[in-house]
Amino acid sequence: GEDVEQSLFLSVREGDSSVINCTYTDSSSTYLYWYKQEPGAGLQLLTYIFSNMDMKQDQRLTVLLNKKDKHLSLRIADTQTGDSAIYFCAEVNAGNMLTFGGGTRLMVKP
Amino acid sequence: GAGVSQTPSNKVTEKGKYVELRCDPISGHTALYWYRQSLGQGPEFLIYFQGTGAADDSGLPNDRFFAVRPEGSVSTLKIQRTERGDSAVYLCASSLLSSSDEQFFGPGTRLTVL
Repeated sequence: GEDVEQSLFLSVREGDSSVINCTYTDSSSTYLYWYKQEPGAGLQLLTYIFSNMDMKQDQRLTVLLNKKDKHLSLRIADTQTGDSAIYFCAEVNAGNMLTFGGGTRLMVKP
Repeated sequence: GAGVSQTPSNKVTEKGKYVELRCDPISGHTALYWYRQSLGQGPEFLIYFQGTGAADDSGLPNDRFFAVRPEGSVSTLKIQRTERGDSAVYLCASSLLSSSDEQFFGPGTRLTVL
């Protein structure tokens, strides 16, 4: 079966790095995604990583993928108050449909 | 429009009533998806349209839920005999050609069943 799990909550101080972790179960996933959800707004795709990659960096965002452990992480460098949101990891299932984790609420304190 | 739009933004109904939720995808996008997000959870897939046809409806929870996309653009999610457990945010997304393309999400419709 498919199950994507995340920790519920993370609190950091402005300027620190944030690391949000995710575990997934479908080893056949070709892509893994990170989405951001702010109140009243739609889900926004932040970044994605192809399953044959270990790392992807995009400005302040770094995605690490450990396929052996089925572990995905999102690191946000120099976290800002505007980064406060709920972050979802998602995998693509065999039917190319997205399976989301439960989301991690990131709170950034000034 | 520039993005995916959904109407209404909020819908309050009584148990047992029928509701329709509308999604306007990005112009030219042939693939359209419906998800349901319950409080404190991630979105769960409901149904995927490729053009006018439902390519995958495996996520619909039961036969009270139905969706259409008659002209391959606007889609309507229909819920019959609503139950309190149907209360959630219903999200629509569209992608350019297929499920391999990036999905762009609308802001959602918050459905509350009293």
